[in-house]
Amino acid sequence: DTGVSQDPRHKITKRGQNVTFRCDPISEHNRLYWYRQTLGQGPEFLTYFQNEAQLEKSRLLSDRFSAERPKGSFSTLEIQRTEQGDSAMYLCASRNVTGTAYYEQYFGPGTRLTVT
Amino acid sequence: AQKITQTQPGMFVQEKEAVTLDCTYDTSDPSYGLFWYKQPSSGEMIFLIYQGSYDQQNATEGRYSLNFQKARKSANLVISASQLGDSAMYFCAMREKRGGGFKTIFGAGTRLFVKA
Repeated sequence: DTGVSQDPRHKITKRGQNVTFRCDPISEHNRLYWYRQTLGQGPEFLTYFQNEAQLEKSRLLSDRFSAERPKGSFSTLEIQRTEQGDSAMYLCASRNVTGTAYYEQYFGPGTRLTVT
Repeated sequence: AQKITQTQPGMFVQEKEAVTLDCTYDTSDPSYGLFWYKQPSSGEMIFLIYQGSYDQQNATEGRYSLNFQKARKSANLVISASQLGDSAMYFCAMREKRGGGFKTIFGAGTRLFVKA
C-alpha cells in the first residue's frame, strides 16, 4: 500500500526563483488537497481538486501560486517569484468521496520550503 | 473569528496516565465533522478519530476517544494510557460546508509531552 507521496521533501531556494512541488495521491482517491503550514500553526487550506477539476482556491493562493492536476492523478503546485513569506511546509492530502471512511483525508509527508 | 480553538499550547502527561486535549469550534453549518490529527516531528499528519455532528455516540478508536459536547461546541480528545510515542503535536479540525463545497479548518495545535 503506497500512501500519499510528495517530492521533494525539502527545497531551499533564493528569493525570486520559481519552485514546483509534486504530490502523488493514493491511487483511487478522487479528491486532492493542498495545505500550507507555518511554524507553530495548523495547516491552512490552499486549494482542492475533484479529479482534474480545481474546485476551490483559498484567498491565500495569490496569483504567484498555481496548482494543476492534469490527468486527475498527481498534482503540482508552482510558486513563482518566491518570497521569504512563502517559507513553510506544503502538505498534500487525498481522500475518496465514495465508499467507507470517506471523510478521512490522508496526508503526505510534506515539502518544506525555505526561501533565503 | 477563530473557527477552531485549542487553548493549550503545550501539555505534559505522565506515561500510562490519561490526558485530555481541549478543542472548541464555531460553525453555523448543522452538518459538520470534527477530526483529530497527530503530527509527530517527522511532519506527517496522522488521522486519529472522527466525529460527525449527527453522531449520537462519542467516537472511540483504540486509546483515543472524543468527548463530544454539541451544546458546548467542544470536541476534546482523550488519550488513555499515554505512551512515550504519543509525544507530538495534536490538531483539532472541522469540516463544514462553505460556499459550494466543504472546507477543513485546523486549530493551532497542542504539543503533548509524555514523561517517562
